[in-house]
Amino acid sequence: ETGVTQSPTHLIKTRGQQVTLRCSSQSGHNTVSWYQQALGQGPQFIFQYYREEENGRGNFPPRFSGLQFPNYSSELNVNALELDDSALYLCASSRRGVGSTDTQYFGPGTRLTVL
Amino acid sequence: DAKTTQPPSMDCAEGRAANLPCNHSTISGNEYVYWYRQIHSQGPQYIIHGLKNNETNEMASLIITEDRKSSTLILPHATLRDTAVYYCIVRAGGISNFGNEKLTFGTGTRLTIIP
Repeated sequence: ETGVTQSPTHLIKTRGQQVTLRCSSQSGHNTVSWYQQALGQGPQFIFQYYREEENGRGNFPPRFSGLQFPNYSSELNVNALELDDSALYLCASSRRGVGSTDTQYFGPGTRLTVL
Repeated sequence: DAKTTQPPSMDCAEGRAANLPCNHSTISGNEYVYWYRQIHSQGPQYIIHGLKNNETNEMASLIITEDRKSSTLILPHATLRDTAVYYCIVRAGGISNFGNEKLTFGTGTRLTIIP
């Protein structure tokens, strides 16, 4: 157990809808990263949040957006869902700071299915 | 981040040591070697990381060659629960890397522990 929690566990949406996924970071961590893992592939970096601001982004369109809250929890929002957005969405938390190796610890993921 | 090369699959007998190799010939001086594993559709689990010296924790040992161009993850007494995809990732760390902490996953090594 990493202490990183995600909700919901599973979600089914239809094409064109919007979805919000949630992540609670491990105690003492101040940075949250989001990854998308399509079936049979390794996780792909979406973006990272630190001090409530986006701080690094992968090759994902603007319809993927996020938030980080003062308690360091985070949301991933995806607008105008496409069939290819079907994937396991992973949240990872870490602690950025002097003396920290900022190792990322992952939550269990949210399985999103777009029909 | 430097690219890594891993064999696509390996088998290991239960109770024996599992040795998983990783090549990272373009690694830079400030880049760490991280190992994660992912058990079927769960979130990746952090195993161990190192910079130059060999490292050991309760899960595994990491052996890094002197030129740092390759490494080996060792699971000393493999059990059936160690069956998973193992990812070797090279990533810069420290203050100079703030804002660039993403993990770049490849396809990993699928390790199967044989009873």
